[in-house]
Amino acid sequence: DGGITQSPKYLFRKEGQNVTLSCEQNLNHDAMYWYRQDPGQGLRLIYYSQIVNDFQKGDIAEGYSVSREKKESFPLTVTSAQKNPTAFYLCASSDRAGNTIYFGEGSWLTVV
Amino acid sequence: GESVGLHLPTLSVQEGDNSIINCAYSNSASDYFIWYKQESGKGPQFIIDIRSNMDKRQGQRVTVLLNKTVKHLSLQIAATQPGDSAVYFCAENWGGGSQGNLIFGKGTKLSVKP
Repeated sequence: DGGITQSPKYLFRKEGQNVTLSCEQNLNHDAMYWYRQDPGQGLRLIYYSQIVNDFQKGDIAEGYSVSREKKESFPLTVTSAQKNPTAFYLCASSDRAGNTIYFGEGSWLTVV
Repeated sequence: GESVGLHLPTLSVQEGDNSIINCAYSNSASDYFIWYKQESGKGPQFIIDIRSNMDKRQGQRVTVLLNKTVKHLSLQIAATQPGDSAVYFCAENWGGGSQGNLIFGKGTKLSVKP
């Protein structure tokens, strides 16, 4: 099946720990994105990548890092510098930036 | 979309009725708009899109209307079903931003009563 796969679905992080969320797509899309969603809020862009080996900060990049070594993969690391990381994280892709974005099923991150 | 803090606007409709969900977009230069449906705990799903050279576009049971004069977008769902219960939000692309990406509204929660 074509689509975007995020893992894990649920993740618990201890304070001071870095965690990495995986995102893989087999849609042959050039652009990939990470969004954060808090309860009752809209989507906020963390990072995006328009092409392999290139990525740009979004509106709330502080405390996060990404890599784009392969077209299919865009992992997001939530670092200990992110003071309020508990949220629902959504990975997405599009054939190119600005076109329709398709989303994965999301990952829930909770700090314990 | 409108900012309402932690509480989303809610639309409650009877099963079988038509639903109209509204969205006010922010930039008059936006030229592409999308509606998404998000069920609880899941990722958003694409429903329908429209470009700024159109006023109306129809899909299966859904219609999107675009009024550029007042920067307003609406999603009409015909014969609403319990499976339509979800949060619906619009997105706009004005292409001229530093990122050229979509800007998302906060959403409206649709609740369908059987």
